[in-house]
Amino acid sequence: GDQVKQSPSALSLQEGTNSALRCNFSIATTTVQWFLQNPRGSLMNLFYLVPGTKENGRLKSTFNSKESYSTLHIRDAQLEDSGTYFCAAETSGGNYKPTFGKGTSLVVHP
Amino acid sequence: GGIITQTPKFLIGQEGQKLTLKCQQNFNHDTMYWYRQDSGKGLRLIYYSITENDLQKGDLSEGYDASREKKSSFSLTVTSAQKNEMAVFLCASSIKGLGYEQYFGPGTRLTVL
Repeated sequence: GDQVKQSPSALSLQEGTNSALRCNFSIATTTVQWFLQNPRGSLMNLFYLVPGTKENGRLKSTFNSKESYSTLHIRDAQLEDSGTYFCAAETSGGNYKPTFGKGTSLVVHP
Repeated sequence: GGIITQTPKFLIGQEGQKLTLKCQQNFNHDTMYWYRQDSGKGLRLIYYSITENDLQKGDLSEGYDASREKKSSFSLTVTSAQKNEMAVFLCASSIKGLGYEQYFGPGTRLTVL
């Protein structure tokens, strides 16, 4: 099965509403990275997390290593938040390659 | 700050052709990666390189070669392009810190006729 499971796979939000995306890990995870891939295909870094919480503007992300999940909260969704959100987990053992989830496709509509 | 550049931005090839994609980074990062992304799908790791002259296979290395000529550059070769193949190839780099925070280039979009 998938080592990094993202949910939901797709999401439609009305502008101004809030929502949360989630990644569950079936592998021991030391760090998590969240990306947004915009409709043009560029991958933008959102957060890089050790266990804990980070906040940046309308976005907040938490990584709970004991319960093996990470969340990305979007507050007051805007049209420009549309795109595909990926999480990537780095596993313990010192390997150099993060494992990506399959993504959450978000559409924010007026 | 730094930047990752990928060339070419668009690549059109013929079936059976050998095609090379290039990636340059000026972050002075040790580790570089090549991913393939098919339309509407996630990222699959093709090759990565921990340091200059190192090469490691990812999950999708068959049909590809890679070369880490120097610290700042990492090339990927499609050894024999498949007809009707369409994908985006993404290059990334990272430095060993707390972990391996990755930064991505803009991608090369491949179309095989």
